[in-house]
Order: sequence, then C-alpha cells, then structure tokens
Amino acid sequence: DAKTTQPTSMDCAEGRAANLPCNHSTISGNEYVYWYRQIHSQGPQYIIHGLKNNETNEMASLIITEDRKSSTLILPHATLRDTAVYYCIVSVYKLSFGAGTTVTVRA
Amino acid sequence: SAVISQKPSRDICQRGTSLTIQCQVDSQVTMMFWYRQQPGQSLTLIATANQGSEATYESGFVIDKFPISRPNLTFSTLTVSNMSPEDSSIYLCSVEDDGGRNTGELFFGEGSRLTVL
Repeated sequence: DAKTTQPTSMDCAEGRAANLPCNHSTISGNEYVYWYRQIHSQGPQYIIHGLKNNETNEMASLIITEDRKSSTLILPHATLRDTAVYYCIVSVYKLSFGAGTTVTVRA
Repeated sequence: SAVISQKPSRDICQRGTSLTIQCQVDSQVTMMFWYRQQPGQSLTLIATANQGSEATYESGFVIDKFPISRPNLTFSTLTVSNMSPEDSSIYLCSVEDDGGRNTGELFFGEGSRLTVL
C-alpha cells in the first residue's frame, strides 16, 4: 500500500527552479516527510526532511501544506547534476521507498 | 556524516551458491538497514540490524535466505543464500547517523551489484 504518490517523471530546465510534488494524504501525526534522491548507479542521498514546518537547507526547500497531506520539494536552481530519481517518503524511522519521480534536467 | 564501504562492489555468482556482503562504517551507529534494489526497481527494505540483537526482517524476507550478522557498532554482513537468478540485484547497506538528533536521516553505501547466472 503506497503511502505517497508522485508523478512518474518530469523535465525541468537548467537554471530554473524544479518543483516536485508529493501527495501523502494518509500521513500520521508522528510521521516525517523525507526526500531522498538516487543518481544513476549510486546509493540514495538524503536531501531534506520535515514534520510540520517548511524547511530549507543548502540543497533544497521543503514546503508542507498545513494539513500535511502533501508537500513540494523545491530545487531552486536545477543543474544537470540534479538529474536523478527523487523519492518522497513518509515514515517514523524505517524508510520505505516508492517508485519516485524521475527528474531530467535539460540544458 | 557516516562513510559506508561495501564489499564486494560487484560479483557474478553461480546458481545455488551463497555470497556474503560486508558493510563497514567509519563511525559507531546503532541502526543499520539492508535494502535490495532489483533491476529497474526502487529500493526494498530487507531487514533492520541492531547490534546485540537478532535482525528484524520485513515481510517477504526470511533469515534462512538472508542471514545477517551485526557483531559490533561499525560492521554488518548480509548473506544471500542458495542464490537464483531472481536474486540478481543491488544490495545496499544504510545507517542512521543523525548525530543523535533522531531525525531518521540515512546514509547509504554505494551498493553491491550481484549477478546470478
């Protein structure tokens, strides 16, 4: 049973912001929203996580709706190296990966 | 952040044999996780391995097929037993190393790519 829903794929232009949506309508009160990405042939890489509040770090921003049923990962200035599969996960501590969104950044 | 080394990075194995994958971490960590990534698929959690206790397996995975050792806080092994071509996958070790903040942030090794003929 999928706990998150993400688009299968999306393209974005280099230098522009990439906005990756995720629906998690059945999220529990103690579950965090995590974002990871996997660049081809590498292990997954942590990006950001949040519980209720919006979060920002050096890689990205995470916007969580007030009802916590959806979130958006924002890559402010996408580069070609951001091409990867992006996973949105809701969890307390064990991470279960869904299919993710294949993001292709084009020059 | 934790640095994770896995051995072997890749191997080609014969049907019916077993292979042990090693995961070495450069710091002491409590929780270690083993994942499998089949070709073209997402990651699936196999088990959670905590030092001093038996591994906890996810649905669909059993100890006889995937025995795990966790002898100390920096090392773990996963054995893939009696391999068949369906076991051809990337096996990844991951650890929780969030500086004690309990954020659940995981770090992953580069994986061990197994091909079973």
